[in-house]
Amino acid sequence: QVQLQESGPGLVKPSETLSLTCTVSGGAISTYFWNWIRQPPGKALEWIGNIFHSGSTNYNPSLKSRVTISVDTSNNRFSLKLSSVTAADTAVYYCARGVGDYGDYLYFQYWGQGTLVTVSS
Amino acid sequence: SYELTQPPSVSVSPGQTARITCSGDALPKHFAFWYQQRPGQAPVMVISKDTERPSGIPERFSGSSSGTTVTLTISGVQAEDEADYYCQSTDSSGTYWDVVFGGGTKLTVL
Repeated sequence: QVQLQESGPGLVKPSETLSLTCTVSGGAISTYFWNWIRQPPGKALEWIGNIFHSGSTNYNPSLKSRVTISVDTSNNRFSLKLSSVTAADTAVYYCARGVGDYGDYLYFQYWGQGTLVTVSS
Repeated sequence: SYELTQPPSVSVSPGQTARITCSGDALPKHFAFWYQQRPGQAPVMVISKDTERPSGIPERFSGSSSGTTVTLTISGVQAEDEADYYCQSTDSSGTYWDVVFGGGTKLTVL
């Protein structure tokens, strides 16, 4: 059974960089698209971006200038960095395994439990 | 940027049929997927590729597609179906690949 677990600070100061890691167990990190998705309190889901096991990335155009996703295949984990955060970046952040075909479809097969990150001084 | 539009809320009585729509210009070209999210939990996919029901999802969940609108139908709604439902799809050109969610629909079982 594939499991994903997010980890990282729950509180980040405005203007700083949010950093999260997703550790994958029960399956190799190869072949699939590895995604970050967030959900502000009481609001809808928002896709942040993904990385293929090869290292190629795709980002939400609205966040692209502030987002970096990287993969560590040797430790079966991938990471998110979101720079220059503001209160609007306060959200539950999920990592998820994506199945799809580049430029065509993508769906989210397995999700982490989510971790709340609050941006506040 | 590309958007998927859902009604904010749908209410039905137990045993009735709930229909939740999702509209988007690229839906004729790209599959839609539906997720159920209960409070405090991660989403779970209930419909794949417009009409396919993943293993373990009850038969009362079904999906359909017509032009720029896809519909999630829950037949014989049960109290446990009360949740938020999100459609999700993609948009692409030669230079980008965007993944989008609808705004979500809160299903209330009266």
